[in-house]
Amino acid sequence: EPEVTQTPSHQVTQMGQEVILRCVPISNHLYFYWYRQILGQKVEFLVSFYNNEISEKSEIFDDQFSVERPDGSNFTLKIRSTKLEDSAMYFCASRKGQVYGYTFGSGTRLTVV
Amino acid sequence: KNEVEQSPQNLTAQEGEFITINCSYSVGISALHWLQQHPGGGIVSLFMLSSGKKKHGRLIATINIQEKHSSLHITASHPRDSAVYICAADSGGGADGLTFGKGTHLIIQP
Repeated sequence: EPEVTQTPSHQVTQMGQEVILRCVPISNHLYFYWYRQILGQKVEFLVSFYNNEISEKSEIFDDQFSVERPDGSNFTLKIRSTKLEDSAMYFCASRKGQVYGYTFGSGTRLTVV
Repeated sequence: KNEVEQSPQNLTAQEGEFITINCSYSVGISALHWLQQHPGGGIVSLFMLSSGKKKHGRLIATINIQEKHSSLHITASHPRDSAVYICAADSGGGADGLTFGKGTHLIIQP
């Protein structure tokens, strides 16, 4: 069964550093998403991406965040200057279309120290 | 903004019991998703439903659009069903992200 692949599975970074989280969505899917889950809290929507541009973003997705789909297969989330409160599990997800279910990646656990 | 509430927050049951997890939401949606999250953190999609009922193996999901309520049932529960079960509201349109509930932590004891 096709999978959404996320790398790395765990990243530790120093506060103020830039990090890039990588995702390879399923190839024939059209909608791509990033979600995050702070430890012990519910999953929160960050951003959606369709037709090579951001479709929707939450209030969490401020200027320190950016997304790219640089080569038609990878989908990246960049955090420019990490803060302690960015420590969370970040999930990438994709779906074929609006009436289809989601496929989630296994997540990247980001720890900011 | 949609508010998604789940109950119970925690549920411990014996193997073989019939399990029900409830989900309610405050604003009309196009679909309701049920997801399963295992201790390692990965999220697996179980159901996406916009009306009626769906069944997959021992799992059954129902939704009542008028009452803004959905339930997930597990028949003949097994220890391997132990996980966090999450419902998430889908407002439709594809671009909008899901609004998640806090999840129900289910433990099935042998």
